[in-house]
Amino acid sequence: EIVMTQSPATLSVSPGERATLSCRASQSISTNLAWYQQKPGQAPRLLIYGASTRATGFPARFSGSGSGTEFTLTISSLQSEDFAVYFCQQYNNWPPAFGQGTKVEIK
Amino acid sequence: EVQLVQSGAEVKKPGESLKISCKGSGYTFTSYWIAWVRQMPGKGLEWMGIIYPGDSDTRYSPSFQGQVTISADKSISTAYLQWSSLKASDTAMYYCARRNSNYIWFDPWGQGTLVTVSS
Repeated sequence: EIVMTQSPATLSVSPGERATLSCRASQSISTNLAWYQQKPGQAPRLLIYGASTRATGFPARFSGSGSGTEFTLTISSLQSEDFAVYFCQQYNNWPPAFGQGTKVEIK
Repeated sequence: EVQLVQSGAEVKKPGESLKISCKGSGYTFTSYWIAWVRQMPGKGLEWMGIIYPGDSDTRYSPSFQGQVTISADKSISTAYLQWSSLKASDTAMYYCARRNSNYIWFDPWGQGTLVTVSS
C-alpha cells in the first residue's frame, strides 16, 4: 500500500501571506493526487484533483503542483476562510490513501 | 444539485449493532461508487471501503475487511455502513462520499454521522 506523508503537521501563517503545504508518496503516483479542505465541524471538500486542477468553487489563489512522489499545495494569499485542515489523497494505486493532514492556523 | 445526506448521530453501547445510512440525490445513484471514510476524534481520514450500487460490487480496505459491512439499496438510493458488534474504538465521525466516475477521488461528501460507543 502507498503511504502518503504530509508536512508540516501545523502551519502558522498570517492573513495575506503565502502558505506552502507538502505531500509525499511512498512510491510514484504520477499526477493521481487530490487535495481536500476540511473546516472545523464540516465534511471534507474536494479542492484539487489531477495534482493541479482546481475543483468548482475554489479561487485561483489555490494551486497544486508536482508529480511522481512530491506534491505541493500553495495558497498564495491566505484569507480568513482558508484556515482549515488540508488532506492529500492518492488514487494511482488500490487502495486509495489519505495523508494525515496539515492544519493551517492563524499566526 | 448532487447531494449525499447521512443519518443522524448515534450513541451505542459496546457489543450493540448499528447501521448508518447515506442517501444520494440529484444524480443517477446506480452509476457512481459510494465510499465510506472514517475520521476518529482529532485525527485524519481513513478510507474504509466502497460500493457500486448498480450491482452491489463492494471493495474493502484491508484495515476494515471483516470489521464492517457496506451495502446499498438502489430502490431508495441509499448506501449503508453497518457493524454487528461495536467497540469503543469505533467512536468516530463517518462520512460517505461519491467517487468520480473515472478516477478515485471523492466529491461530494455527506455531512457525516457521529458514532459514539460508550458503556
